[in-house]
Amino acid sequence: QQPVQSPQAVILREGEDAVINCSSSKALYSVHWYRQKHGEAPVFLMILLKGGEQKGHEKISASFNEKKQQSSLYLTASQLSYSGTYFCGTGVDNYGQNFVFGPGTRLSVLP
Amino acid sequence: DTEVTQTPKHLVMGMTNKKSLKCEQHMGHRAMYWYKQKAKKPPELMFVYSYEKLSINESVPSRFSPECPNSSLLNLHLHALQPEDSALYLCASSQVSRRMETQYFGPGTRLLVL
Repeated sequence: QQPVQSPQAVILREGEDAVINCSSSKALYSVHWYRQKHGEAPVFLMILLKGGEQKGHEKISASFNEKKQQSSLYLTASQLSYSGTYFCGTGVDNYGQNFVFGPGTRLSVLP
Repeated sequence: DTEVTQTPKHLVMGMTNKKSLKCEQHMGHRAMYWYKQKAKKPPELMFVYSYEKLSINESVPSRFSPECPNSSLLNLHLHALQPEDSALYLCASSQVSRRMETQYFGPGTRLLVL
């Protein structure tokens, strides 16, 4: 079952912060975050595993609340290069069964 | 080298044609994936190969036939496709298929079925 992402789209000015949410009705084992720019392939950002961890990658970080089956991606001091569509992908076990991407959140960063 | 290559970049085929998509990686990854992506939609997982064996087939129609001849190559054979199969076909690889580890995507093959 596909996870739900919110918001569907967001427009920011350079330097502003954003939060993208991903939630599932299933008990999750892993949450993956990817960014895809128009006309390009998805690029991996980070993976979070069951255990409620938080990860960071430069000015992009994410958290995973396994009790709520929710993950949030935090973009701080956004840059023009952050523009693109952000997908969360969710897995329910260690084997990749039922791995599915959410519908995506389109992020536009304006100068 | 963190590159996954795909050929061709574009493909136009008729409904009676037989064609193949090719994917290659030289990162020593033992898991390879095929995804289908329609415009403004997320990638949909089609197949997963783990150690050259098909481990996941997400109920894909038989007109799509995957093949993994060795650990570096992944093919997708196409036969009797329908216009609704037109999409971007993405290949990806990861070190192993456990947990769907960090996947490196290729640039994709844009397929148009007439």
